[in-house]
Amino acid sequence: QKEVEQNSGPLSVPEGAIASLNCTYSDRGSQSFFWYRQYSGKSPELIMFIYSNGDKEDGRFTAQLNKASQYVSLLIRDSQPSDSATYLCAVKDGGSQGNLIFGKGTKLSVKP
Amino acid sequence: DTEVTQTPKHLVMGMTNKKSLKCEQHMGHRAMYWYKQKAKKPPELMFVYSYEKLSINESVPSRFSPECPNSSLLNLHLHALQPEDSALYLCASSQGVWGNEQYFGPGTRLTVT
Repeated sequence: QKEVEQNSGPLSVPEGAIASLNCTYSDRGSQSFFWYRQYSGKSPELIMFIYSNGDKEDGRFTAQLNKASQYVSLLIRDSQPSDSATYLCAVKDGGSQGNLIFGKGTKLSVKP
Repeated sequence: DTEVTQTPKHLVMGMTNKKSLKCEQHMGHRAMYWYKQKAKKPPELMFVYSYEKLSINESVPSRFSPECPNSSLLNLHLHALQPEDSALYLCASSQGVWGNEQYFGPGTRLTVT
């Protein structure tokens, strides 16, 4: 059974701090990794994707991938209350067309 | 533009009704997906279409019937649903099925009474 593990939280950080969200996965064949943000009652929104080991930065977001450790993370710098949401880590199943394996999500709360 | 549209936004249906959910994308994507999401759970894959052909059916009951009339449209036909089928139904699309980013539509909130 291919799995993606996330700490469910809630993760609470003060406004302006760095929020660090972590994810581990079991399928060594996975090559594509995604972070989605989901506000309550809304659909998931793709905010970052990463395919190579190392860091990828986009604005206040940085995704980090370490395939040897089967670990992917998302850093949110200068956290804002509007960042409060559930963050879903998704990993492309290395052996299946189209199948994303989702973690259960980490709920982030940014306190003003 | 990464927009996927879905209609209707909300749907309430009885267990004997037949209804359809619609999804549309104009990004030239060749893969489209249906997901089901229950409260406080991650999305669960139901169906994958690649180049308008059904490539994955994740053992979904036959009361859910997908259809891909063309490369931009995806439908999900619903018949004789159960109350436990109440959920958020999400459509997504990607350039292809192998590893590309999937973009979700806003979803249809379905309630079965």
